[in-house]
Amino acid sequence: GQQVMQIPQYQHVQEGEDFTTYCNSSTTLSNIQWYKQRPGGHPVFLIQLVKSGEVKKQKRLTFQFGEAKKNSSLHITATQTTDVGTYFCAGRGAGGTSYGKLTFGQGTILTVHP
Amino acid sequence: DAGVTQSPTHLIKTRGQQVTLRCSPKSGHDTVSWYQQALGQGPQFIFQYYEEEERQRGNFPDRFSGHQFPNYSSELNVNALLLGDSALYLCASSFGAQNQPQHFGDGTRLSIL
Repeated sequence: GQQVMQIPQYQHVQEGEDFTTYCNSSTTLSNIQWYKQRPGGHPVFLIQLVKSGEVKKQKRLTFQFGEAKKNSSLHITATQTTDVGTYFCAGRGAGGTSYGKLTFGQGTILTVHP
Repeated sequence: DAGVTQSPTHLIKTRGQQVTLRCSPKSGHDTVSWYQQALGQGPQFIFQYYEEEERQRGNFPDRFSGHQFPNYSSELNVNALLLGDSALYLCASSFGAQNQPQHFGDGTRLSIL
């Protein structure tokens, strides 16, 4: 079945440093979504990417979808303590037995030291 | 505008028992998906309900079943509970069955003793 791998598992940064998490799927995706989960909370939708090579920005966050629609990244510029949490990518299968199913990566836990 | 609500928030059961978890979707949403999230892991897709039918299913055994009611609310039933079923169970709602952002509830923390 479809697998979505996310690296790194943990990232500790000083406030003001940049942060990047990477997501790779074993199969081609129709779209990819990114979520943020604060400690003790539930995943909150950030963005969805659909087109090959798509880049979207939300203030300090930049999201990219790979040309082959199998990988994606989230980059945060100048992290703040409010960025703390776990960032998940979730890929929706484009075909076969994975068609339409949303598979989450294992997440990257971001810690920001003031 | 109420978001996704789940009940109960916490539940303790013993092995072999059965459990029912409930979810009310966000107003205006008609699709409900259920996920299992083990500690330190990403949510794992259990199944999705749309128009009162199970539309998609993840790699979970038949012990996991569900239902969607005409008002779009949903239940997740788990039979013959195992220790490994201990997890946070998340419900997510969306509009339409495909390609829409999902809005998650706060989840039900299920502990199996």
